[in-house]
Amino acid sequence: GAVVSQHPSWVICKSGTSVKIECRSLDFQATTMFWYRQFPKQSLMLMATSNEGSKATYEQGVEKDKFLINHASLTLSTLTVTSAHPEDSSFYICSAETGDGANVLTFGAGSRLTVL
Amino acid sequence: GNSVTQMEGPVTLSEEAFLTINCTYTATGYPSLFWYVQYPGEGLQLLLKATKADDKGSNKGFEATYRKETTSFHLEKGSVQVSDSAVYFCALSKLPAAGNKLTFGGGTRVLVKP
Repeated sequence: GAVVSQHPSWVICKSGTSVKIECRSLDFQATTMFWYRQFPKQSLMLMATSNEGSKATYEQGVEKDKFLINHASLTLSTLTVTSAHPEDSSFYICSAETGDGANVLTFGAGSRLTVL
Repeated sequence: GNSVTQMEGPVTLSEEAFLTINCTYTATGYPSLFWYVQYPGEGLQLLLKATKADDKGSNKGFEATYRKETTSFHLEKGSVQVSDSAVYFCALSKLPAAGNKLTFGGGTRVLVKP
């Protein structure tokens, strides 16, 4: 079946640094990927929709300059948390859909970011 | 806007017990409804879905029926196993207009003890 890989699975960084999280579709081409954020004991909140070759569409309240999304190929989308602060500590999850109209989503295992 | 409310966990059960996780939603029109499961250390996996009123989704012994009159999509399993221990998320999407943008409930952690 379809597999989405996220890397790194966890990362610790100092406040003020930038962190990049990769989301790869391993055995299919993903025209659209979604980035979610999950706070402890809370639900997944959609941050942005990433379309290959075009700018990401951000949800209301999500700072696009803070969370840079690049979907440069049909198998890779990246989320960069710029100038990270402790409040950015969270679990980030990506999902990808195939472009075959099946409307099936495959999720990555998530990346836990801790900002000191 | 759209929203999903599900019962808070954790839910602790003994093996072979009956499991129910309540889920209600708020949405305009006719959303599609989903249950996702997240096993420890893994990504979310689609468990089952229903795309119109009165549809019943089922998979791995789990069932949920799309009830438009009560705006609910409760998840049930008649006899749980230890391997069912996971976090379960109820979600909706407004396919096809909104593509696969999902609105999730808060998740319910289920722990099944031998």
